[in-house]
Amino acid sequence: ETGVTQSPTHLIKTRGQQVTLRCSSQSGHNTVSWYQQALGQGPQFIFQYYREEENGRGNFPPRFSGLQFPNYSSELNVNALELDDSALYLCASSLRGRQFFGPGTRLTVL
Amino acid sequence: EDQVTQSPEALRLQEGESSSLNCSYTVSGLRGLFWYRQDPGKGPEFLFTLYSAGEEKEKERLKATLTKKESFLHITAPKPEDSATYLCAVQASGNYGGSQGNLIFGKGTKLSVKP
Repeated sequence: ETGVTQSPTHLIKTRGQQVTLRCSSQSGHNTVSWYQQALGQGPQFIFQYYREEENGRGNFPPRFSGLQFPNYSSELNVNALELDDSALYLCASSLRGRQFFGPGTRLTVL
Repeated sequence: EDQVTQSPEALRLQEGESSSLNCSYTVSGLRGLFWYRQDPGKGPEFLFTLYSAGEEKEKERLKATLTKKESFLHITAPKPEDSATYLCAVQASGNYGGSQGNLIFGKGTKLSVKP
C-alpha cells in the first residue's frame, strides 16, 4: 500500500469531451506528478506540482492541465479528448526523491 | 536526449531458472535509477533506487546493480508470483522541462515464470 489513491478506477468518454481525474496523496508528500501510460508502454511524464504550483511539464499539449490542493489532493484535467488519450493515468507522490504510485485511472475514449 | 532502453521485451522462465533483465540509459547527469514492478492494470510498485556506479541492492529473490551505462535486475530462482512487468526509470539531475522530479521510463520487460 502506497497511501496514494485515485478515482475513478475506470472511465469511458467520447471524443471532444472533457474529463477530470483525481488523486489523493499521503500527508506530507507535497510533490505530485502525473503520468500517462499507453498499452504496452512505460509511463510518460505529463507534469509535476509542488506546493500547488506547476514546476515541470513533459511533452503534452496545454489541453492537459492540473491542480494541486492544500490537503494533498490533486486533479488532472483533459479537454477536447482525442482517441489517443486512451491510457492508464497514474499519479505519484514524492518523498525524499522516491515516487509512490497510485493504482491509476483507466480512461477509454470512443 | 535522455533515454532508457530495456531488454528483453519479454522473458519466459521456468520456476527456479535464474536470469537477468537489462536497462541501458543515457542521461545528462544521473540523479537516481529506479526499478518498479507493475502487475496488469495496476500502478508501479517501488522496488529499488540506485544512485552511483557499483551500488547494489537486494530484496528477496531480486538484486539490482548499476554501472555508468546500465543497470541489471537479477532474479534468482524465480517463482510464478514474480511474473509481472519490470520497469526501469531514471531521474536526471538537470532541469527536465523545469522539473527535477520526473522519471523517464523504459517500456519494461514482461516476465512470465511457469511452474
